[in-house]
Amino acid sequence: ETGVTQTPRHLVMGMTNKKSLKCEQHLGHNAMYWYKQSAKKPLELMFVYSLEERVENNSVPSRFSPECPNSSHLFLHLHTLQPEDSALYLCASSQGYKTSGGALLFFGEGSRLTVL
Amino acid sequence: GQQLNQSPQSMFIQEGEDVSMNCTSSSIFNTWLWYKQDPGEGPVLLIALYKAGELTSNGRLTAQFGITRKDSFLNISASIPSDVGIYFCAGLNSNAGGTSYGKLTFGQGTILTVHP
Repeated sequence: ETGVTQTPRHLVMGMTNKKSLKCEQHLGHNAMYWYKQSAKKPLELMFVYSLEERVENNSVPSRFSPECPNSSHLFLHLHTLQPEDSALYLCASSQGYKTSGGALLFFGEGSRLTVL
Repeated sequence: GQQLNQSPQSMFIQEGEDVSMNCTSSSIFNTWLWYKQDPGEGPVLLIALYKAGELTSNGRLTAQFGITRKDSFLNISASIPSDVGIYFCAGLNSNAGGTSYGKLTFGQGTILTVHP
């Protein structure tokens, strides 16, 4: 098993669709993250869960809804997205948050989202 | 908010050449990190630096934590085709207190192309 697994790898959806991205980590970490990666821009932190509690919501629109049912799984529910939401969505995990250990992120391979 | 200025934005080099890239900030960090993202993959941690002045190597890669704690450098010696990818610097302030506490900030990346 790879450390952090994301599914699906590619997703195309219309603006009225509802879909979900899934992330699973097999590293025993206690913090999980969603990042958005757009071309030629720094990685944008969206959400952080530490010990299954949401501790960061970086002014993300409500059409993105995260869910963390346990320390190994993280979801990003998508609804009524806009074309500008097309990007690579990266999940990451770490042992600890707001500590040096929290800087050692292990990323998944990403889910490439295209909104038509 | 905090910003990292990473340069150069892109590099085109011949196999065998050495590469240097750097990251500067207006704010102090107490942890600096370098990640590499291969095409179609998520970022992978290369080197983590925890102390001002620290010089750390990982194979052909060497990174330094600047004395002022506001910059970091990454050098790649004798580049090979598999060095192709995007290199990201990241900084973390894990000292409690202040609005930047615990926030991992990424640079916008350096795109490296290696010609055989």
